[in-house]
Amino acid sequence: GQQLNQSPQSMFIQEGEDVSMNCTSSSIFNTWLWYKQDPGEGPVLLIALYKAGELTSNGRLTAQFGITRKDSFLNISASIPSDVGIYFCAGREDSNYQLIWGAGTKLIIKP
Amino acid sequence: GAVVSQHPSWVICKSGTSVKIECRSLDFQATTMFWYRQFPKQSLMLMATSNEGSKATYEQGVEKDKFLINHASLTLSTLTVTSAHPEDSSFYICSARAGGEQYFGPGTRLTVT
Repeated sequence: GQQLNQSPQSMFIQEGEDVSMNCTSSSIFNTWLWYKQDPGEGPVLLIALYKAGELTSNGRLTAQFGITRKDSFLNISASIPSDVGIYFCAGREDSNYQLIWGAGTKLIIKP
Repeated sequence: GAVVSQHPSWVICKSGTSVKIECRSLDFQATTMFWYRQFPKQSLMLMATSNEGSKATYEQGVEKDKFLINHASLTLSTLTVTSAHPEDSSFYICSARAGGEQYFGPGTRLTVT
């Protein structure tokens, strides 16, 4: 099915570094969501964005809804070991509640 | 708030048998629940949308007679994988809508031998 373009696919970083990932779409979305999934678990909602240009923070996480409504980014500042996992973006149009998912960004922290 | 549980967390069954997976919203009522499956290293794939008191809406390519969904109450939806085959082995995740957003259960790992 339809997917968002999420990049990078994986990231190897040092503890304490900042992280940035993004999603782009050919379609306009009215909602952007960012989830984190740990191995063997379901996704956990991190940040929800509802308005173009909106910038929202959740602790060390910051996400923005792109002005064009076709992209979003997620930043993690001062990464810590528990940040490892797979981060998914998801977008939604107003016409229905179905989420369109990115392929995920796997975050790995080098010891 | 917005906690979703699944049971069982993992199950192993033999080919040809049926397996039922439960999805419960613990602290809210959900008129709509969603069932996804996820293969290793891949994103979530929506299988069906479950509506309380009515028939589920299946995504294209998902066999409704094989993946039976029952949303009998505002806090419980079940997915039954009938006549399971090894290719049905996957991670099945449900979600429930609360406050406009989807909250996910912890998933069920199904292995068909």
